[in-house]
Amino acid sequence: ETGVTQTPRHLVMGMTNKKSLKCEQHLGHNAMYWYKQSAKKPLELMFVYNFKEQTENNSVPSRFSPECPNSSHLFLHLHTLQPEDSALYLCASSQDPGTGNEKLFFGSGTQLSVL
Amino acid sequence: GQNIDQPTEMTATEGAIVQINCTYQTSGFNGLFWYQQHAGEAPTFLSYNVLDGLEEKGRFSSFLSRSKGYSYLLLKELQMKDSASYLCASMDSNYQLIWGAGTKLIIKP
Repeated sequence: ETGVTQTPRHLVMGMTNKKSLKCEQHLGHNAMYWYKQSAKKPLELMFVYNFKEQTENNSVPSRFSPECPNSSHLFLHLHTLQPEDSALYLCASSQDPGTGNEKLFFGSGTQLSVL
Repeated sequence: GQNIDQPTEMTATEGAIVQINCTYQTSGFNGLFWYQQHAGEAPTFLSYNVLDGLEEKGRFSSFLSRSKGYSYLLLKELQMKDSASYLCASMDSNYQLIWGAGTKLIIKP
């Protein structure tokens, strides 16, 4: 148990569907992140929220829309996805972003399949 | 460009020692991280090195050479539960993590 909970664990959706991924952290951290993990590829940082403000958007397509209502919750809204968006989506949190020894605490991820 | 290289897959025997290497090229450097990820689970933090040398934590040790842009993770007395992917990540001058693709470690009895 890492203190970061993601739901759902698995999601299958069609290209015309709209769904949302949810992340909750119970660690009192100030920053939350969305990462995309594809097989045999490095983790790709998608979004960063620091004290609820979005500080990073790494050229992510607009079909991915993040929402951070408070410092403990993070959502990723999905619509009109493409098959190449199929991947493991990981949420993470950290206490002190922008410092050196910044440990990330990850959730177990949502395995997304787009048909 | 920024780049992290680590082997895709390694195999080792239970009870043995294995060394997983990582070379990095980043714009500036603020430390080198290792994470462990079991299949279907969250990556978990293993180690952080910012100064040259070896850091030991039980059966796991991590080494850094800043001048060579090189790190390794050393796992001793391997156990079956050590079968996992090991992710190397370098933090650049903007405190951004640059990740490797991970090394899948297979432990055989």
